[in-house]
Amino acid sequence: EVQLVESGGGLVQPGGSLRVSCAASGFTFSSYWMSWVRQAPGKGLEWVANIRQDGSEIQYVDSVKGRFTVSRDNAKNSLFLQINSLRAEDTAVYYCTRFSRGPLQNYWGQGTLVTVSS
Amino acid sequence: DVVMTQSPLSLPVTLGQPASISCRSSQSLVDGDGNTYLTWFQQRPGQSPRRLVYKVSNRESGVPDRFSGSGSGTDFTLKISAVEAEDVGVYYCMQGTHWPWTFGQGTKVEIK
Repeated sequence: EVQLVESGGGLVQPGGSLRVSCAASGFTFSSYWMSWVRQAPGKGLEWVANIRQDGSEIQYVDSVKGRFTVSRDNAKNSLFLQINSLRAEDTAVYYCTRFSRGPLQNYWGQGTLVTVSS
Repeated sequence: DVVMTQSPLSLPVTLGQPASISCRSSQSLVDGDGNTYLTWFQQRPGQSPRRLVYKVSNRESGVPDRFSGSGSGTDFTLKISAVEAEDVGVYYCMQGTHWPWTFGQGTKVEIK
């Protein structure tokens, strides 16, 4: 059974940093692009970043460029999102997803809430 | 960025009746490879998003056949042939052709 389990969310002060993780199981993690998507409380979805199987290509939405860093550890079946210089508008549930634009089945984690507040 | 515009944003529906959600993009979603990467998601209350349809009209495995997607270019539609109670939630269209991938605002489906 495929599972994606996010962790690391919490309350952080503006300007602070946080590292969110996603533990993957049930599939060959190193064979898939992985992504982060976020959702502010009561709001819609925003695609944050994609990372290629070997980490050699990463795409970021402009609003997080320079502050967010996506990485992965294929040996540990883990995906990471390092979030720096946090702003109030980064408050959101962060979802890890194995997303495909095509027929490969999609999977989403349950999300982890990051709250930026003083 | 490609702007995805959904309508309506709120859709009260009677059980057993059909429902239709429109999604329009600010530019064509036809990719250079010939595919149109338009996806529909369902998000039930308190749950993570779930993909229903990919590449305009292909249903995800396990998705009931009362859900169907159609459209082309910049104009797309998700239809539910007969709404059931479990269909309550927010539906999002998303384009995966142009980076950054972008979502519509969401359409909240509720039972009258």
